[in-house]
Amino acid sequence: GQNIDQPTEMTATEGAIVQINCTYQTSGFNGLFWYQQHAGEAPTFLSYNVLDGLEEKGRFSSFLSRSKGYSYLLLKELQMKDSASYLCAVRAPRKSGGSYIPTFGRGTSLIVHP
Amino acid sequence: GAVVSQHPSRVICKSGTSVKIECRSLDFQATTMFWYRQFPKQSLMLMATSNEGSKATYEQGVEKDKFLINHASLTLSTLTVTSAHPEDSSFYICSARDPAGGSADTQYFGPGTRLTVL
Repeated sequence: GQNIDQPTEMTATEGAIVQINCTYQTSGFNGLFWYQQHAGEAPTFLSYNVLDGLEEKGRFSSFLSRSKGYSYLLLKELQMKDSASYLCAVRAPRKSGGSYIPTFGRGTSLIVHP
Repeated sequence: GAVVSQHPSRVICKSGTSVKIECRSLDFQATTMFWYRQFPKQSLMLMATSNEGSKATYEQGVEKDKFLINHASLTLSTLTVTSAHPEDSSFYICSARDPAGGSADTQYFGPGTRLTVL
């Protein structure tokens, strides 16, 4: 089976840096995604990691360690609009077969306050 | 980037009625689309994989006779919730894989449909 764990909620101050962690246990691995989801809206793609290391994209960076089953999303220069849920999704073979389809974690609700 | 639309965005219906939700890929062709359900403060749960021109693949525990999926063209998949009950009230989200998305094989999500069954 697959198990994806991330904190339920985090708070941070505008302008600060926050790191959202994600740990996973899967049978096989073919990539890890981070998505941002505002309340009542669909998720939007942030990043994809398949190799170990850090991927930087503007204010957002994502890190992956496959040997540790660990990833984090780093948000710099936080803005109020960054208040959202951040979903970690791992792609691995599924029991139902077929192509690799991501399994989502429960998401981390990030609250940015002034 | 790739755009996926969903219609309707919100629907309220009486218990026992059927509701159809449409998912369209607007600027690319998607041979595969996915249907998710999300309850408040919960994760996205994959319900089924919709394959153009063939039967959908349902996840364990999802009733295929209750959640009918049709993927008649490369840009349209529909989900019909038959004989809806209050416990079916949820946020339904579709996604499509952009074949030009490179190795990431990124999924692009529709805006979601909020279903409320009275």
